[in-house]
Amino acid sequence: DTGVSQNPRHKITKRGQNVTFRCDPISEHNRLYWYRQTLGQGPEFLTYFQNEAQLEKSRLLSDRFSAERPKGSFSTLEIQRTEQGDSAMYLCASSGDSLLVDIQYFGAGTRLSVL
Amino acid sequence: SQKIEQNSEALNIQEGKTATLTCNYTNYSPAYLQWYRQDPGRGPVFLLLIRENEKEKRKERLKVTFDTTLKQSLFHITASQPADSATYLCAPQGSDSNYQLIWGAGTKLIIKP
Repeated sequence: DTGVSQNPRHKITKRGQNVTFRCDPISEHNRLYWYRQTLGQGPEFLTYFQNEAQLEKSRLLSDRFSAERPKGSFSTLEIQRTEQGDSAMYLCASSGDSLLVDIQYFGAGTRLSVL
Repeated sequence: SQKIEQNSEALNIQEGKTATLTCNYTNYSPAYLQWYRQDPGRGPVFLLLIRENEKEKRKERLKVTFDTTLKQSLFHITASQPADSATYLCAPQGSDSNYQLIWGAGTKLIIKP
């Protein structure tokens, strides 16, 4: 396993369109996170899965955002009716080496540009 | 609310010198604190983890300290090299089953040859 994989790397879309991103975590990891990051900021938590269960979702997250992790493997993040403010880097991370310490392994991210 | 503060301005260091980055936290008592490196256009990469009962942790040219009284962690790179130029993020973590890391905004480090 070569690490966390995210697709696509870049996505350009028009305002109002729907977009979907995919994340393939490290295979033995049971925890999966989605983050959003803008220039000069740290990763902003969006949502978290333990296996297939979505355990937490940011209160700041609009209802236009939804994420799934069917069968506890890969995950998808969908943004409906995109807005220019959604332009950001979307990062996926997985973890699960330890029950207590959560060292996270990140993908290279999907950069979204909403025109 | 929980708050993580890192040097907001870029840190310029001459090659060969020691770079020291600061991470301060408030309204939080983390059991662990992690440091990550992030290069432009890439995801963060884990570097070091330090536990609340550890004062210091080392890995090659890297050293991290954790002062729970001051609510501060320091990250040192000795004998810095231009290849160390990147943004460094600190991420404290609690001790319960809530695995969420709280992320700082990061400090951009520039090592000048």
